[in-house]
Amino acid sequence: SYELTQALSESVALGQTARIACEGNNIENKNVHWYQQKPGQAPVLVIYRDIHRPSGIPERFSGSNSGNTATLTISAAQAGDEADYYCQVWHSNTVFGGGTKLTVL
Amino acid sequence: QLQLQESGPGVVKPSETLSLICSVSGGSLRSSSYYWGWIRQPPGKGLEWIATIYYSGTTSYNPSLQSRVTISVDTSRNQFSLKLNTLTVADTAKYYCARRGISVSDPFDSWGQGTLVTVSS
Repeated sequence: SYELTQALSESVALGQTARIACEGNNIENKNVHWYQQKPGQAPVLVIYRDIHRPSGIPERFSGSNSGNTATLTISAAQAGDEADYYCQVWHSNTVFGGGTKLTVL
Repeated sequence: QLQLQESGPGVVKPSETLSLICSVSGGSLRSSSYYWGWIRQPPGKGLEWIATIYYSGTTSYNPSLQSRVTISVDTSRNQFSLKLNTLTVADTAKYYCARRGISVSDPFDSWGQGTLVTVSS
C-alpha cells in the first residue's frame, strides 16, 4: 500500500512562511490535495492537484510537488492558519497523510 | 450552495452494526460529475477514507474495511448511506460524508460537519 508521511508538527512565526511537507514514493507522479482542519471543524480543501487553489482560499496558500515530496506553503502566516493540515493522493485507493499540526507563534 | 449533513445514532454497542445517512441539499446525487464518499477520524487522530459511490451504484472500498462496510445510494431521497458491521471500540470516530469529482484523482471538495459515533457497551 502507498504511504504518505507528514511531520507531526511544525511551527512558524507570525507573518513568516510555513512549509508543510508530504513525502511519498515518486509522489511527483500523483495529484496531491491539501486539506486544512481547525479544531472541531470539518476539513476544508485548500490546494488541489498540486498547485491549484479553490475559490475563496487566499493566495497566501500555494503548493508544489517534486520528486518524493509535495509541499504546502503558507506565506505571511496568520493566527487563523493554525490548524491541522492533511495531504491526500489516490493510489489504487484514497490515501491520506497522517497530518501536520501547524502552530503560529 | 451544496450542503451535506450526516445523521446517525451517536452511540452503538460493540458487535452491532452502524448505520449512517448523508443527506445532500443544494445539489443532486444524480450528477454525472461527482462521486460521494465517507471518511472517518478517530478522536485525536488522522483521516481515514472508508468508501465511495457513484449515483449509478458503482462503489469502491478501503481494503482494510471492505469486509465490514456497505455504501449505498438513494437518489430519490438525495441521500447515501454507510453500514459498518461487527463494531469494536476502534470504530469510535467522527464520520464525515463528502463529495469528490468524477476522477479518482479529484479531491473531496465539499464535506459535511461530521457525526461522532461512539462504540461502547
